[in-house]
Amino acid sequence: EVQLVESGGGLVQPGGSLRLSCSASGFTFSTFVMHWVRQAPGKGLEYVSAITSEGSVKLYADSVKGRFTISRDNSRNTLYLQLSSLTSADTAVYYCVRKVSTYWYYDLWGRGTLATVSS
Amino acid sequence: EIVLTQSPGTLSLSPGERATLSCRASQSVSSGYLAWYQQKLGQAPRLLIYGASTRATGIPDRFSGSGSGTDFTLTISRLEPEDFAVYHCQQYGSSPATFGQGTKVEIK
Repeated sequence: EVQLVESGGGLVQPGGSLRLSCSASGFTFSTFVMHWVRQAPGKGLEYVSAITSEGSVKLYADSVKGRFTISRDNSRNTLYLQLSSLTSADTAVYYCVRKVSTYWYYDLWGRGTLATVSS
Repeated sequence: EIVLTQSPGTLSLSPGERATLSCRASQSVSSGYLAWYQQKLGQAPRLLIYGASTRATGIPDRFSGSGSGTDFTLTISRLEPEDFAVYHCQQYGSSPATFGQGTKVEIK
């Protein structure tokens, strides 16, 4: 089955860190650009970060630049997002998404993992 | 960045009725690069429409998209029980891609 499964969310204190993982299966993970998208409570979806298929180019939304780090391990079919210097504004469900080849929309989503930043 | 405003916030309809969802952009979306996603509670969002009007693989033909420039519409011709969900629009004509805040279609 073609799917993405996120893990690693949880409760963390302000200023803390969290590492999210996304396990891909059912397709050739190493050939796809992958993104992270998040949704804060009561808000719309928001692009967070992107990584090229081989991992050489990494991009970030201004809201997370310098605090979040995206990476991937194609041998393990896994995408990662390291979150640090977290604030309450980072509380959200984080989705791992597969970008279609030419355009910036997504044809496969995971169910998401919730990161809650609170003292 | 382009701001997308979806309306209404909530749409209360009965099975079999027609649903019309609106997505309005703060500036023109180039080449009609607009997508729609369906999200059911606890499930992964699913791509419905891309290029404003092209249905994704496996999407029933009761779902249709239209529009250009700044005004786009998702229409569900006859609501089935499984269609009650939240719908998101996304523009990908300008970087960064941005999303609307979602429209919830609920059972009346």
